[in-house]
Amino acid sequence: EDKVVQSPLSLVVHEGDTVTLNCSYEVTNFRSLLWYKQEKKAPTFLFMLTSSGIEKKSGRLSSILDKKELSSILNITATQTGDSAIYLCAVAPTQGGSEKLVFGKGTKLTVNP
Amino acid sequence: GAGVSQSPSNKVTEKGKDVELRCDPISGHTALYWYRQRLGQGLEFLIYFQGNSAPDKSGLPSDRFSAERTGESVSTLTIQRTQQEDSAVYLCASSFVAGGTEAFFGQGTRLTVV
Repeated sequence: EDKVVQSPLSLVVHEGDTVTLNCSYEVTNFRSLLWYKQEKKAPTFLFMLTSSGIEKKSGRLSSILDKKELSSILNITATQTGDSAIYLCAVAPTQGGSEKLVFGKGTKLTVNP
Repeated sequence: GAGVSQSPSNKVTEKGKDVELRCDPISGHTALYWYRQRLGQGLEFLIYFQGNSAPDKSGLPSDRFSAERTGESVSTLTIQRTQQEDSAVYLCASSFVAGGTEAFFGQGTRLTVV
């Protein structure tokens, strides 16, 4: 069964700290890995990664995929209180024509002032 | 439309009643997903539509749950004889092509069964 595991489950830091969130996966026929930020109801898209070793960057956020280790990390530098959210990792496998996204349980990040 | 639109945003229903949730995907998106998120839990896959292919219904928790999609447009998720454990946020997402492109989520429908 396809599985996505995120760690840590929760994290509390102070403004200005740098954090690294982890995502590991076990899927057949991997296609892509996606990161989302969920503040209230709707997850908002952050990154999609398909190639190993290529970093994607957006402002203070960056992410990289390691296909050999079946994992990805999401880095946030100089954290701000607005970064407080649940960060979700999802993997898109290709299986028998179905390409549903498989999500991890998320990492709850709290940034204190 | 500009984004994925879901309605209603909130729904309170009595146990045993049927409910219908609606999702309007981004225009041109062929893939559409329904997920359920219980309080404090992760996203639980329900059903996935891709173009005119047979949907992947493997995540539907019981035969009280069903979903339809007409072509590449609106989808409805129907829950019959609602139970209290059906209380959750129901999220819909769409993408241009399944798996290979990013999926965008709607704001969700918060369902409360009393």
